[in-house]
Amino acid sequence: AQKITQTQPGMFVQEKEAVTLDCTYDTSDQSYGLFWYKQPSSGEMIFLIYQGSYDEQNATEGRYSLNFQKARKSANLVISASQLGDSAMYFCAMREGSTDSWGKFQFGAGTQVVVTP
Amino acid sequence: DVKVTQSSRYLVKRTGEKVFLECVQDMDHENMFWYRQDPGLGLRLIYFSYDVKMKEKGDIPEGYSVSREKKERFSLILESASTNQTSMYLCASSPWGRGDTEAFFGQGTRLTVV
Repeated sequence: AQKITQTQPGMFVQEKEAVTLDCTYDTSDQSYGLFWYKQPSSGEMIFLIYQGSYDEQNATEGRYSLNFQKARKSANLVISASQLGDSAMYFCAMREGSTDSWGKFQFGAGTQVVVTP
Repeated sequence: DVKVTQSSRYLVKRTGEKVFLECVQDMDHENMFWYRQDPGLGLRLIYFSYDVKMKEKGDIPEGYSVSREKKERFSLILESASTNQTSMYLCASSPWGRGDTEAFFGQGTRLTVV
């Protein structure tokens, strides 16, 4: 069964606007981590932001913030003030585990973002 | 600067060939992963390893095997390449026991099987 669901295959956003990328996850574990990655056309995977399941505050990293709604099992990425360089594929990922035993990273299908002038 | 290096950026092989994809990391990470990326399917885990000579199957191991003889090197082997294995292959590593640490990726190998 799909553990990470990204329902938006593609999105257009205007420069300087904010954009929200949806991510829902499925787990019965209490302890897990959520990650967002950016993949530009060059193919490299760039880590953006992390949210732990026990973190009470939403994670933020510069223009990136993670809207974490634990009860809904959603971890949406918000990019504020979009720039042309934000055009890329974005992946949501989850890792289940605890203490010193952490499993594999599981990824969603991705959302292609195109920022227009 | 942390680094995961994959041996080839682009590779073209013939059907039936045995193909080796190599991955080396310099971060002393225990965990290493091989993913396959296809449009609309995201990244799917082929195999992962949490220690030297240890390996576990991921979601799509059929047609692949792996080798980890040294901590820094994790090899993906296509025993007999087929056209449906044409894809982007991504190697990643992460430290043991750190659930809050991201996976570090190599630059990817785009494999075409003809």
